[in-house]
Amino acid sequence: DTAVSQTPKYLVTQMGNDKSIKCEQNLGHDTMYWYKQDSKKFLKIMFSYNNKELIINETVPNRFSPKSPDKAHLNLHINSLELGDSAVYFCASSQGGSSHEQYFGPGTRLTVT
Amino acid sequence: AQSVTQLGSHVSVSEGALVLLRCNYSSSVPPYLFWYVQYPNQGLQLLLKYTTGATLVKGINGFEAEFKKSETSFHLTKPSAHMSDAAEYFCAVAAGGYQKVTFGIGTKLQVIP
Repeated sequence: DTAVSQTPKYLVTQMGNDKSIKCEQNLGHDTMYWYKQDSKKFLKIMFSYNNKELIINETVPNRFSPKSPDKAHLNLHINSLELGDSAVYFCASSQGGSSHEQYFGPGTRLTVT
Repeated sequence: AQSVTQLGSHVSVSEGALVLLRCNYSSSVPPYLFWYVQYPNQGLQLLLKYTTGATLVKGINGFEAEFKKSETSFHLTKPSAHMSDAAEYFCAVAAGGYQKVTFGIGTKLQVIP
């Protein structure tokens, strides 16, 4: 069974569209994250939720909105997509508490044309 | 505040040679340190981690790292490189609460036959 899964794996869309990426973890972890990895492989944290509560919200445009319906799911909705949003988006989870070890999903490659 | 510096964005070694990937960190409190590996078109996978205790940490695939507080370093080594080690390697630091992990820019390891 996949520990952290993301859908879709690839997403190609046009500028101005709205899209969502879904993430699910079956590890029983309390904390989930969204990261953006650009073309140079730089990994930047976007958001983090702990038990459905937003705990990290980095400087990210308001067009990005995370939603956590329960602690096993963290979705990312993006409005009015721009060319600069093209990247690979990774979901991750961790146990919480003193454990910072994170488990990553396979990534969603978003291409905005 | 916490940060990570990875020295060398690209490292090339011959198959069978020593692998040394350098990482220096900055943290105002005792850090947790990690090395992750990313194979092409995949998510990040934890190689090893340092939390407390023994400063020499062994990980998967024959990798190890040594935490040196006096040098604020956490370099990754492997005695003999295999072709399968070719990947992107990320050093990361976590300090303080709320699970925020800061990643380095990554080092791409090339293994030459």
